[in-house]
Amino acid sequence: EVQLVESGGGLVQPGGSLRLSCAASGFTFSTYSMNWVRQAPGKGLEWVSYISGSSDTIYYADSVKGRFTISRDNAKNSLYLQMNSLRAEDTAVYYCARASFYGDGRFDYWGQGTLVTVSS
Amino acid sequence: DIQMTQSPSSLSASVGDRVTITCRASQSISSYSNWYQQKPGKAPKLLIYAASSLQSGVPSRFSGSGSGTDFALTISSLQPEDFATYYCQQSYSTPWTFGQGTKVEIK
Repeated sequence: EVQLVESGGGLVQPGGSLRLSCAASGFTFSTYSMNWVRQAPGKGLEWVSYISGSSDTIYYADSVKGRFTISRDNAKNSLYLQMNSLRAEDTAVYYCARASFYGDGRFDYWGQGTLVTVSS
Repeated sequence: DIQMTQSPSSLSASVGDRVTITCRASQSISSYSNWYQQKPGKAPKLLIYAASSLQSGVPSRFSGSGSGTDFALTISSLQPEDFATYYCQQSYSTPWTFGQGTKVEIK
């Protein structure tokens, strides 16, 4: 059974940093690209970042480029999101989502999410 | 960026009703359209990919159609567990973008 479990969310002051983790199980992690998708309270879904299985291809949404860094450790079956210079508008539930093996951009499995609150 | 515009933003329907939600892309995305269902406090769940392919395990009352710029998600006979918010997504080019969502409520 595919499982994705996020952790690392919490309350942080504007300008602060936070590192999110996503522990994957039930599939061969290194062969799948992964994503972070976020959802502000009461709002819709926003794709944040993508990383290929070998980490050789990385994309970011313009809203986080230069502040967030996606990475992965295939030996630990883990995905990460380092978030720096956090702003109030980064407040959201952050989901890790597996990209389909077929590379068609669909997100076929999602974690339960971790809440990040940026506030003083 | 490709904008995805869903309509309606919300709808009220009864159990057994046929429901259709539409999504329009700001440019042609071929068949790179996906649909997700999200229930309150839960993660989204993939229902339809590549415009009309049913994700494994999803009931056959869900179907998708369209290509180019216009897409639709249809629920043939609404069930109590289908009351949720539905999102379309384009996977044609990054940044991948979602529609604003359609909330399906009980009439």
